[in-house]
Amino acid sequence: DVKVTQSSRYLVKRTGEKVFLECVQDMDHENMFWYRQDPGLGLRLIYFSYDVKMKEKGDIPEGYSVSREKKERFSLILESASTNQTSMYLCASSPWDGDNQPQHFGDGTRLSIL
Amino acid sequence: GQQVMQIPQYQHVQEGEDFTTYCNSSTTLSNIQWYKQRPGGHPVFLIQLVKSGEVKKQKRLTFQFGEAKKNSSLHITATQTTDVGTYFCAGRMKAAGNKLTFGGGTRVLVKP
Repeated sequence: DVKVTQSSRYLVKRTGEKVFLECVQDMDHENMFWYRQDPGLGLRLIYFSYDVKMKEKGDIPEGYSVSREKKERFSLILESASTNQTSMYLCASSPWDGDNQPQHFGDGTRLSIL
Repeated sequence: GQQVMQIPQYQHVQEGEDFTTYCNSSTTLSNIQWYKQRPGGHPVFLIQLVKSGEVKKQKRLTFQFGEAKKNSSLHITATQTTDVGTYFCAGRMKAAGNKLTFGGGTRVLVKP
C-alpha cells in the first residue's frame, strides 16, 4: 500500500512566521502535489512537482513556495504566514503516468495561523 | 478559470434510501475520478471514468460519465451509515495541463 506521510497532524503558528509542511511518500512516485481544503471549495491545487527539483504552480500558488530536493519528499513553505492561510493542507502523490492513475493522499495537516 | 461544480453541497439521507450527487464541468474532460473522504480522514480514490457514456458499478455505487464528457454522477442505492463522508469528483482537463480539478464535494449525512 502507498504510504504518504505528513509531518504534523495539527500545527499552530503566528502571523509572519515562516512555516514548513513536510510530506514523504514511500512508493517512488514521480508526481507529488500540495492542496488546501476549505469547506465548500473542495481541494485546490497549490503546487505540484513531476520530478526532483521540478515544480509547477497550481491554481492558488500566491503566498506559498515548494521544495523537492529528493524524490520521496515534497515540502510546502509559507514564506510569511497570514491568517487567510489557516486551512487543511493535503499532500498527494501519483506515479509518472499521472493521467490515468489515482492520487494517494496523506492524512493532512490542519494549520492554524493566529 | 476552469471549474468543476458539484451539487448538492450537503445531502441528508434516510438510511435505506437512494441519492445522487452530480458533477458538472465548464469544459470537456479527459477523464474523471471520484474520491471519498470519511470524517477526519483523507480522500481515498474510488473510481475513474474515461469513455463517453461510461457506467461503472461498485456494489451499491453507480458512477456515470456523460456523453459529452462534461458531467458525471454518483448514485448510491440503499444508503448505509458506512456511506457517511464527503464525495469529491475530480476532472482532468486538457486545457488545464491535465491537472486534476476537484469539485467542492458533497457531504453526506445518514439518518439511522
